[in-house]
This record gives sequence, structure tokens and C-alpha cells, in this order.
Amino acid sequence: QTVVTQEPSFSVSPGGTVTLTCGLSSGSVSTTHYPSWYQQAPGQSPRTLIYNTNTRSSGVPDRFSGSILGNKAALTITGAQAEDESDYYCLLYMGSDILVFGRGTKLTVL
Amino acid sequence: EVQVVESGGGLVHPGGSLRLSCTASGFTFNTYWMHWVRQAPGKGLVWVSHIDGDGSGTTYADSVKGRFTVSRDNVKNTLYLQMNSLRVEDTAVYFCASGGRAYSVGSWGQGTLVTVSS
Repeated sequence: QTVVTQEPSFSVSPGGTVTLTCGLSSGSVSTTHYPSWYQQAPGQSPRTLIYNTNTRSSGVPDRFSGSILGNKAALTITGAQAEDESDYYCLLYMGSDILVFGRGTKLTVL
Repeated sequence: EVQVVESGGGLVHPGGSLRLSCTASGFTFNTYWMHWVRQAPGKGLVWVSHIDGDGSGTTYADSVKGRFTVSRDNVKNTLYLQMNSLRVEDTAVYFCASGGRAYSVGSWGQGTLVTVSS
């Protein structure tokens, strides 16, 4: 079974730029997987950041952007802030109305 | 304001059953896909199931297929998850969420905790 891969953890300095990626254990991620991204702060429900590869959800700051980089989906945070310290999950459409989350990336801002 | 509120979680023995509910407001419920997503303690998000706006189509993760059934009542603006043959590994916070654009998840509830233990 195909696994959606993400970096387990990442660290970024305040004001810095970080790119988190979302791949497949077999094959490449493309726009036909309709990648979306979610932020989950400790003890909170998830929040939708990006859908359809690169469209920001309402109210999401423009420092968050989505793209396809090579064979992976990517979430870039430009000018990271302390409040961005969270877990980040990607979600891919696998066909036949099946969705799969990645295992998540724990982002530390320090 | 879009709002989804889950209820029905609790403690159940292995092999038992439980039905979760999710009441929605602030959007035209019958035009949206709805999803269940779960999160085991200290673990990541896992997509569980979806149902089409009119209830005609449903899909499930392999881990729950044949044991869980998703349904909806578009008059009551309520989503359900009937969970049978529960296992210890089903222990998780279960989130209800509206379908977003382009196969994404839109608005999330606060979650309800299901604990399967003897």
C-alpha cells in the first residue's frame, strides 16, 4: 500500500523560510492528487491552510504557499513566526474518492 | 459561521459498538461532502471515511471497511458514524469535517474521544 511521506520534524529560525514536503513511497505527487495542507497546533483541531496544490484557504496569511517541487508537494513558510510552531499534515487524493494523510511534520520555530 | 460539533464518544469494550454524531450549521449541508478523520493519542491524522452530499456515495479507509458505516440526515443537518466490532486500535479523537474544495477538508470540529478498552 502506498504511503504518504513527510519529514518527521523540521526546525526554522524566526523570520526564516522553510519548505515541508509530501511525497509518495511509490511514484510522484502531481496536481492530480489535489494536495492540501493542514496545521495543527498542540491541543487544537486542525486548520486548513492550502487546497488544490496552491490555493490558500480564507484567512490564511500569505507567508504560507503551496507548490509541486519535483516529485513532491511542498508547503513553504516564508518569514516564519513563533505561532507557526505546529504539526503540519498533507492530504492526497488517491482516486476512487479515497484520501490519505501524510504522517505529519513537527515544525519547531527557534 | 460554519460550525460542526461532534458528540457520542466514550468508553467501549473491545467488540462493542458506538455511534458518533456531528451536527452542522452555517452552510448548505446537503451540498457538501462530509468526512470523518481520527487521531490516536500522540499520533497523526488518519482519514476514515467520506460521504457525498446526498448520501449516495461513501468510501472508507481499509482499516475500518466492513466495520464502520457513515450516513447523514440532511433534514437534521447531521452526520453519523456507526462503529461496530471496535478494537483497541480504534481508540482516537474522531473529527467531523466538511468537505472543502478539490478533495480537501474544509472546516473541522473539536473532536470527540473514543476509548476502546477492557
